[in-house]
Amino acid sequence: AQKITQTQPGMFVQEKEAVTLDCTYDTSDQSYGLFWYKQPSSGEMIFLIYQGSYDEQNATEGRYSLNFQKARKSANLVISASQLGDSAMYFCAMREGLGNFNKFYFGSGTKLNVKP
Amino acid sequence: DSGVTQTPKHLITATGQRVTLRCSPRSGDLSVYWYQQSLDQGLQFLIQYYNGEERAKGNILERFSAQQFPDLHSELNLSSLELGDSALYFCASSRTSGGEVGEQFFGPGTRLTVL
Repeated sequence: AQKITQTQPGMFVQEKEAVTLDCTYDTSDQSYGLFWYKQPSSGEMIFLIYQGSYDEQNATEGRYSLNFQKARKSANLVISASQLGDSAMYFCAMREGLGNFNKFYFGSGTKLNVKP
Repeated sequence: DSGVTQTPKHLITATGQRVTLRCSPRSGDLSVYWYQQSLDQGLQFLIQYYNGEERAKGNILERFSAQQFPDLHSELNLSSLELGDSALYFCASSRTSGGEVGEQFFGPGTRLTVL
């Protein structure tokens, strides 16, 4: 089974509107971490937001928020007030493991296009 | 700028050859991770080192190996290269092994082209 599933290969959003990028994960670990990264066309990977499995509050970082629904194993990224510069690939990722032993899994990504 | 450096930026080589990719983590980061990003397979976790020791292995081929040196920089060695090894190779670092800390910081990547 896929560890991270992103079901939206591509999405369009109007500038200034909000958009939700979907991510579901599969793990039997109790302790894990969920991440979102942005990859613009230039290729670099930019960390956006992190949610720990024990965090009860949804993570927020500026215009980014992570809608964490543990029972449903989903970790959707919400971008509010989209900007043209938000056009990029977005990857959901999960860290599994305990202590110093960790593995990371990435989804296949969602390509977001922000329309003016 | 994430603070993680990778060299070289681009590498073009032939099948059967061996190459070494180098990564310097952010100052103070003890963990280094290697990833392969190819068009058909997305981003694949290869291997993690923490303070010089291998900690976790992902989908790393036997032809590939890595190490982390006492100064914490890391090298990824790819041998007997095949056309399918053409990809963008990322290095990332984090302060700890990743247990309770959030993010990894990615380098700009090395684009490997095997002809």
